[in-house]
Amino acid sequence: QQQVKQSPQSLIVQKGGISIINCAYENTAFDYFPWYQQFPGKGPALLIAIRPDVSEKKEGRFTISFNKSAKQFSLHIMDSQPGDSATYFCAASRTNSGYALNFGKGTSLLVTP
Amino acid sequence: NAGVMQNPRHLVRRRGQEARLRCSPMKGHSHVYWYRQLPEEGLKFMVYLQKENIIDESGMPKERFSAEFPKEGPSILRIQQVVRGDSAAYFCASSPGGGRTNTGELFFGEGSRLTVL
Repeated sequence: QQQVKQSPQSLIVQKGGISIINCAYENTAFDYFPWYQQFPGKGPALLIAIRPDVSEKKEGRFTISFNKSAKQFSLHIMDSQPGDSATYFCAASRTNSGYALNFGKGTSLLVTP
Repeated sequence: NAGVMQNPRHLVRRRGQEARLRCSPMKGHSHVYWYRQLPEEGLKFMVYLQKENIIDESGMPKERFSAEFPKEGPSILRIQQVVRGDSAAYFCASSPGGGRTNTGELFFGEGSRLTVL
């Protein structure tokens, strides 16, 4: 069963717009929530990650918002660029599991010029 | 400063043959993870290994699949008697293991794409 649910499955945003991808989880033992970016033919690469002791983390144009009580977290990409077009995966893990990640199904983002 | 190295990048097998996928972790990393990616399905965890030990194999199919990470050499994911449903991209990731150096980030290879005819 999917431990992390991600939506939407695909997203089209105009250049300069905001891309928003949402994830929800059930297991309250999760304590690490990363987002990975994957380009076609490549492996996923870490984009940004958050732990439950903070509600928001920002790195450049990328922000994670985290709602512990709702067991939800989201990725916001500000000023989206065509180079951001990729598949984005949210994930969750427990530190004491050795960080074996449970991934969402992914969101295919297309940023149009 | 090589990253995670996977080979072969592409592998074609006929039904019933064996597939062996290799993964060399990043230098200094002692933890290896294998994931399978199917179209529209995201990345499914298969197995987590440390040197000479399988830590978590809860995502491995019960039959035909096995993994190892020997003291010397790469980690191997072995699929015996392949079937068409095994066609997928298999990704390996590594991390440095416990302690302060482990931030939780997994470093992924570029994957091995298995096609079963």
